[in-house]
Amino acid sequence: GQQVMQIPQYQHVQEGEDFTTYCNSSTTLSNIQWYKQRPGGHPVFLIQLVKSGEVKKQKRLTFQFGEAKKNSSLHITATQTTDVGTYFCAVTDSWGKLQFGAGTQVVVTP
Amino acid sequence: DTAVSQTPKYLVTQMGNDKSIKCEQNLGHDTMYWYKQDSKKFLKIMFSYNNKELIINETVPNRFSPKSPDKAHLNLHINSLELGDSAVYFCASSQDWLAGGKETQYFGPGTRLLVL
Repeated sequence: GQQVMQIPQYQHVQEGEDFTTYCNSSTTLSNIQWYKQRPGGHPVFLIQLVKSGEVKKQKRLTFQFGEAKKNSSLHITATQTTDVGTYFCAVTDSWGKLQFGAGTQVVVTP
Repeated sequence: DTAVSQTPKYLVTQMGNDKSIKCEQNLGHDTMYWYKQDSKKFLKIMFSYNNKELIINETVPNRFSPKSPDKAHLNLHINSLELGDSAVYFCASSQDWLAGGKETQYFGPGTRLLVL
């Protein structure tokens, strides 16, 4: 199935700092979704990107789809303690299945 | 009102036992899924049903048997539980898998299974 590599696996961030997590694929993607899972919670849909070079913003979160549609990034500015959790990218494979990346676990230090 | 609900939330059981997890969605979606999340947070799809029909069956031991009595319910029965089955099991739903998998998936709260 479709394989996506997500980096970094862990991210320790000081409150107020920015950070970025990346999702990379060796093949061209039709779309990419991002989910957030709070500790002890369940994955919650954040956004979907479909177009080459697409950039979408949700408050302090900026999502980008690469021009070649092989990578995506999630950038968070001025990190807050509410940003704690694991961020997953997910791509649709040729069978219509959603394949999740390994996730980036984010820990925020006050 | 919970969109996707699962019961039980926690399940602690002995090796060799048989257990079931139930899932219900009130979103009117046609497609439902079971995912397994291991201790490293890796999320892997197990099964998917579209309008009560099995459409995805990943390489899962046949001790796991899903059942969908109607499109709003998808249950998971596990026979002869093993230590390696300990994980969090998430149910999810989406509008219509036939739309090409580009749909938002809505996850249930998860069932934390611990096999002793």
